[in-house]
Amino acid sequence: EIVLTQSPDFQSVTPKEKVTITCRASQSIGSSLHWYQQKPNQSPKLLIKSASQSFSGVPSRFSGSGSGTEFTLTINSLEAEDAAMYYCHQSSSLPYTFGQGTKLEI
Amino acid sequence: QVQLQESGPGLVKPSETLSLSCTVSGGSIVGYYWSWIRQPPGKGLEWIGIFYYSGRTNYNPSLKSRVTISVDTSKNQFSLKLSSVTAADTAVYYCAREVPGTSTVPPIYYMDVWGKGTTVTVSS
Repeated sequence: EIVLTQSPDFQSVTPKEKVTITCRASQSIGSSLHWYQQKPNQSPKLLIKSASQSFSGVPSRFSGSGSGTEFTLTINSLEAEDAAMYYCHQSSSLPYTFGQGTKLEI
Repeated sequence: QVQLQESGPGLVKPSETLSLSCTVSGGSIVGYYWSWIRQPPGKGLEWIGIFYYSGRTNYNPSLKSRVTISVDTSKNQFSLKLSSVTAADTAVYYCAREVPGTSTVPPIYYMDVWGKGTTVTVSS
């Protein structure tokens, strides 16, 4: 099973700040890494697919990069509505796995 | 626009079988992959398993002996059965559609549409 480790677990940020969340995989997963945003009492919403491709309708301040074992989600010019949990997810090999999550508090 | 809606009992007794359905609206269930994911209270996401349109399934080894995922194309629904439940199975259960990306060969699959989730509590 591929283990995904996110850092940090928690980050307190201010509006307009730039935020970077890292996801490290226990083995190479190519570009099969996706990022989700989850707000309280809501289902996860896809932000970034295949490491760096923005999903339809997602604000341009969200971007992703990386390949292999190290990936990053960057949020430029943070807005108050970006307060949420963020999860990385790999679909390279079964069983699919998720990172433990990063909580952004604004 | 495809939408998914989970349904099923919110309370299940220990040792019994949890049964949930996911109804797909705004699109066909045929030709896609369908997953179940769960989230225990205050915790992260756990992938349960997937149904491929070929009829094949694949389950998380941690749950494999207790899980069955199936599809009813006539109802545009897919379902989850989890047997011998315990309190550790208390969670919000989500269904999701998995689709292939188009920029790589072989394609990279990702979950693009999720249901709103349904809470299942295991308690006597």
